[in-house]
Amino acid sequence: AQSVAQPEDQVNVAEGNPLTVKCTYSVSGNPYLFWYVQYPNRGLQFLLKYITGDNLVKGSYGFEAEFNKSQTSFHLKKPSALVSDSALYFCAVRAYRDYGNNRLAFGKGNQVVVIP
Amino acid sequence: DGGITQSPKYLFRKEGQNVTLSCEQNLNHDAMYWYRQDPGQGLRLIYYSQIVNDFQKGDIAEGYSVSREKKESFPLTVTSAQKNPTAFYLCASSIDPTNTGELFFGEGSRLTVL
Repeated sequence: AQSVAQPEDQVNVAEGNPLTVKCTYSVSGNPYLFWYVQYPNRGLQFLLKYITGDNLVKGSYGFEAEFNKSQTSFHLKKPSALVSDSALYFCAVRAYRDYGNNRLAFGKGNQVVVIP
Repeated sequence: DGGITQSPKYLFRKEGQNVTLSCEQNLNHDAMYWYRQDPGQGLRLIYYSQIVNDFQKGDIAEGYSVSREKKESFPLTVTSAQKNPTAFYLCASSIDPTNTGELFFGEGSRLTVL
């Protein structure tokens, strides 16, 4: 079964500094990888996904993520963090061959705090 | 505007009572999902439905039930058999179950058992 690890509970970063949120995954075969963001008491919003192709994926709000197959990682990055980026970030994975249900495995989430 | 509507946003329940959480979507999506979110545990799949009149158990289906009588609706009932029902519940949909695209989420329903 697929799984995701987000090793850090909270990421603190100063406004204007680079932001990185780490994610490693485990899946049989090739993965489909996703990042979502959640603001307090709200649903999740899609940020970006990796399906195939270029290992560097660009998404919403200036975020990007790099797929590294050898390290089974899909870290989320932003060159310059904003206070409004403070939120809970989830990494998710499904197996390429998991046809029929788009069933994602989510990580436990990382709280990002951007300090003014 | 298209989207997913969950109601109620907040719900209080006494022990031993069943409650039903509503989820309606006007995105014309085939697949719908219910997740449970607890602090520090991420999202766990309760039930999912790929098509009308069909649904499957997820990872934590015990104490929950669903129906999918209409494409746009996927209500979740939290029964008295659910031992620890206090949580944040999220409904989601996707275009079709084989799609590689993203899930679209509702705003969630927070259930508190008194």
